[in-house]
Amino acid sequence: EIVLTQSPGTLSLSPGERATLSCRASQSVSGSYLAWYQQKPGQAPRLLIYAASSRATGIPDRFSGSGSGTDFTLTISRVEPEDFAVYYCQQYGSSPYTFGQGTKLEIK
Amino acid sequence: QLQLQESGPGLVKPSETLSLTCTVSGGSISSSQYYWGWIRQPPGKGLEWIGSISDSGSTYYNLSLKSRVTIYADTSKNQFSLKLSSVTAADTAVYYCARHVRGGAAGTGGWFDPWGQGTLVTVSS
Repeated sequence: EIVLTQSPGTLSLSPGERATLSCRASQSVSGSYLAWYQQKPGQAPRLLIYAASSRATGIPDRFSGSGSGTDFTLTISRVEPEDFAVYYCQQYGSSPYTFGQGTKLEIK
Repeated sequence: QLQLQESGPGLVKPSETLSLTCTVSGGSISSSQYYWGWIRQPPGKGLEWIGSISDSGSTYYNLSLKSRVTIYADTSKNQFSLKLSSVTAADTAVYYCARHVRGGAAGTGGWFDPWGQGTLVTVSS
């Protein structure tokens, strides 16, 4: 099973700042088969990025994904007030399909 | 617009079987492009994939739960369902259904989009 470790656990930023979230895999994720989700309190997760760097439909271009192998990054170029939430990465290169433990992006 | 809605009991007794159904609207679960999956999230914790079913009825389960999980579909009702047997308090969670978009190698695996709103199932006597 591929274990995904996200860092930091909590990221405190002000609106307008750049956010960099990390997702590290315990073994290489084949094909860069990695997705990112955003979850707000009381809501279901929302897909942001798939295939490591492809934005999902309707996702603003301030969200970008990068990486390959064992190291992946989600970047929010300028954090907007509505971006404060928990972010999860998920690998689908091998079963079982696993999620990271999440990074909470909070207002500083 | 595709929508998914979970339904089922919110309270299940220990050792009994948890049963949930996901009703899909705005699209067909018979599409070969997608699987249909279940994911759960214990209160205040992270996400765990439970399993998925394909348009042909093939099922794929997380090995950690495989001995207790059954996922099946009713294409006539455009629904798919989850059964989890011998539940304990550790199975208390919000259960989500989601479209599992085929995107891995050879069309296996993939990401989840969209998700249902989720339903909280509590295991307690």
